[in-house]
Amino acid sequence: EDKVVQSPLSLVVHEGDTVTLNCSYEVTNFRSLLWYKQEKKAPTFLFMLTSSGIEKKSGRLSSILDKKELFSILNITATQTGDSAVYLCAVGRNYGGSQGNLIFGKGTKLSVKP
Amino acid sequence: NAGVTQTPKFQVLKTGQSMTLQCAQDMNHNSMYWYRQDPGMGLRLIYYSASEGTTDKGEVPNGYNVSRLNKREFSLRLESAAPSQTSVYFCASKMVSGTDTQYFGPGTRLTVL
Repeated sequence: EDKVVQSPLSLVVHEGDTVTLNCSYEVTNFRSLLWYKQEKKAPTFLFMLTSSGIEKKSGRLSSILDKKELFSILNITATQTGDSAVYLCAVGRNYGGSQGNLIFGKGTKLSVKP
Repeated sequence: NAGVTQTPKFQVLKTGQSMTLQCAQDMNHNSMYWYRQDPGMGLRLIYYSASEGTTDKGEVPNGYNVSRLNKREFSLRLESAAPSQTSVYFCASKMVSGTDTQYFGPGTRLTVL
């Protein structure tokens, strides 16, 4: 059975800290790995990764994928209270009628204290 | 450009009642999805529509039906609501090829008493 596992499930840090969120997966016909940020409402897209070893970066956030070891990390440097959210990892598969469907992990709840 | 919109935002039902959740997107996307999100469970796929005219079951389809009314609209129906269907429901959409990125609506919080 395909699965996506995120760790830790929750994390409390102070402003200015650097955090690393983990996502491992066991998925047949892997195609992509995506990170989303979810505050009170809808998940908003952060990154999509398809190639190993190539870092994607947006401001203080960055992510990298390791397709050999089947995991990805999301780094946030110099955290701010506005980074408090649930971060979701999802994997896209590439077969048959499920093409384009995502499997989501349970998320990591990040709390940044002032 | 509103993106993905959902109605209603909140709903309370009694066990056995029926209702339809509406979803529309104005991004000319081909594929649309319905998810439910429960505490500690992440997002789970209920039904999806890869393109206009097609629908398929996802991971947790029991108790739900869907209609892809046209390219823009994808509705989710609960025929006889049960307390186990208390959840937050999200609709999402994406282009059919070139990316797996899905864009989400604001969600509907449903409580079944």
